Amino acid sequence: RKEVEQDPGPFNVPEGATVAFNCTYSNSASQSFFWYRQDCRKEPKLLMSVYSSGNEDGRFTAQLNRASQYISLLIRDSKLSDSATYLCVVNERGYQKVTFGIGTKLQVIP
Amino acid sequence: NAGVTQTPKFQVLKTGQSMTLQCAQDMNHNSMYWYRQDPGMGLRLIYYSASEGTTDKGEVPNGYNVSRLNKREFSLRLESAAPSQTSVYFCASSEAAVQPQHFGDGTRLSIL
Repeated sequence: RKEVEQDPGPFNVPEGATVAFNCTYSNSASQSFFWYRQDCRKEPKLLMSVYSSGNEDGRFTAQLNRASQYISLLIRDSKLSDSATYLCVVNERGYQKVTFGIGTKLQVIP
Repeated sequence: NAGVTQTPKFQVLKTGQSMTLQCAQDMNHNSMYWYRQDPGMGLRLIYYSASEGTTDKGEVPNGYNVSRLNKREFSLRLESAAPSQTSVYFCASSEAAVQPQHFGDGTRLSIL
């Protein structure tokens, strides 16, 4: 089993739709979690950190489920500009165990 | 408002040539990283530097060396480039290990 797994997609959704991505991780000792956004041929950019209690930033909601070992990202009212690849990042313990998922590609369609 | 700056942005090398990728950050971050990104494989950590004066291997260090020149700068060297090292290379920095990382805009390296 991969340490961090994501469905690569693509997820094709119409504008205004709600879409959710999950990311599973294998190490129960993982300490910190993030979602990044990466546009085509660009660098990854931090979208949001994921906290144990869940957190929201505008149309984006991130949640952590430690019991089932996954994090999720919910995007409401999708915009064309949300089209990108969304990477989950899991920090297990220290620098050498920062693991990026391969990313989930989202395409928002007019 | 530079953040993390990488040079060069593009480079083509012949097998066996050497080169150094440069990275500098102006955010006073302690930690710096080098990743490579290949299709279908995600970002993989090559080397990292927890703080000035220290460097450690990541997941895929073979064929690379690094230097943490000072707090701002972290360079990646390919001593004898191989076609398998064709990739997009990203440098990143963070305040500490568990903090989010900030990325440079990448170096696209092709080795023929």
